[in-house]
Amino acid sequence: DAGVTQSPTHLIKTRGQHVTLRCSPISGHKSVSWYQQVLGQGPQFIFQYYEKEERGRGNFPDRFSARQFPNYSSELNVNALLLGDSALYLCASSLGAVPYNEQFFGPGTRLTVL
Amino acid sequence: DQQVKQNSPSLSVQEGRISILNCDYTNSMFDYFLWYKKYPAEGPTFLISISSIKDKNEDGRFTVFLNKSAKHLSLHIVPSQPGDSAVYFCAASDPSGGGADGLTFGKGTHLIIQP
Repeated sequence: DAGVTQSPTHLIKTRGQHVTLRCSPISGHKSVSWYQQVLGQGPQFIFQYYEKEERGRGNFPDRFSARQFPNYSSELNVNALLLGDSALYLCASSLGAVPYNEQFFGPGTRLTVL
Repeated sequence: DQQVKQNSPSLSVQEGRISILNCDYTNSMFDYFLWYKKYPAEGPTFLISISSIKDKNEDGRFTVFLNKSAKHLSLHIVPSQPGDSAVYFCAASDPSGGGADGLTFGKGTHLIIQP
């Protein structure tokens, strides 16, 4: 069975640009969460989507947005990129939205902002 | 303010011995804890979890201990194997918001198993 997939693997952008990251959850999983991992830190929660609705949002500016599609795949959008947005962006899927559901992580998208 | 703390950035253990990774938390609303393992260029992989109603959970070579009064948990790996060399993250969940706050992670501990 395919695990969580993310695209692209790597991405280089310049300040002020916009970026879209994509995630496909494990088949049958209805919840997708996004995390940002800056070098030397643990993953930090950005968003959770369940059944195509936003269920939770971390402490990130409005430049960050996301959505979940009818097939449960998801996109993370970041506008007006800053140098500090350079990070590994991780997508995780789970069966349900409650915290006791184990989250399965994808390999991540490495974003570099120059 | 870090709510989940892993105070040891790295830990070196001899193959075959016990590895003990520690984690402290400050948010008393956390009641579900997880350990993830991460290799370079891969996403974190779930290892083991524990609910606050328990003080111990075992899965093969991995055991997690929870001390709620001390707000402390630890992961024991016995015996340690070379493939255990990775970064280990402690994570916690506050269910009061229905999971809407996601998981809160520590900074990780890089475990190195020496042959």
